Amino acid sequence: SQQGEEDPQALSIQEGENATMNCSYKTSINNLQWYRQNSGRGLVHLILIRSNEREKHSGRLRVTLDTSKKSSSLLITASRAADTASYFCIKRSQGGSEKLVFGKGTKLTVNP
Amino acid sequence: DVKVTQSSRYLVKRTGEKVFLECVQDMDHENMFWYRQDPGLGLRLIYFSYDVKMKEKGDIPEGYSVSREKKERFSLILESASTNQTSMYLCASSLPVNRNSPLHFGNGTRLTVT
Repeated sequence: SQQGEEDPQALSIQEGENATMNCSYKTSINNLQWYRQNSGRGLVHLILIRSNEREKHSGRLRVTLDTSKKSSSLLITASRAADTASYFCIKRSQGGSEKLVFGKGTKLTVNP
Repeated sequence: DVKVTQSSRYLVKRTGEKVFLECVQDMDHENMFWYRQDPGLGLRLIYFSYDVKMKEKGDIPEGYSVSREKKERFSLILESASTNQTSMYLCASSLPVNRNSPLHFGNGTRLTVT
């Protein structure tokens, strides 16, 4: 399977602070993807980072990838209450199975 | 934009009923997935399909079956619903892994079995 493991499991911060969550994996990847899920809804794709990329930005989101450590980080800067959600990572491997397995995610709470 | 549509947002069924959850995508994606999500357990893969009439078991296929007769539609079937199948069910679709593309999710079906 192509599971990512998110860390920490839960994170609580104040509005305006930065939030960092991490994802580790075990085998080589083609790309790694981050998703957000608001309570009771489907998952929404945030950023896809390819194995030959080290950093990617989208608005207040910054994703880094360290293939030597087999890990990725998602940084949300200047957080808002609307960022309260669960965040998941998933990796995809060239030549790997199409089976996609998610970890339990990081539950982020941004307090106003 | 890719749209993945799940036929029902909320569903209430009785124990023993046969239940059909429908998922339709409009972007000609090869891959389609069914997950269930429960508190503390995250998303668990039930079944996935990488082509018409092709299916593979995920991590928790027991009590479920699937059907993919057309590329755009992937149905999840609960042969005889039980209370432990009360859950949020999420459908997703994607291009093959070598296309470096994301998954697209539906909004979910919250199923209650009484």
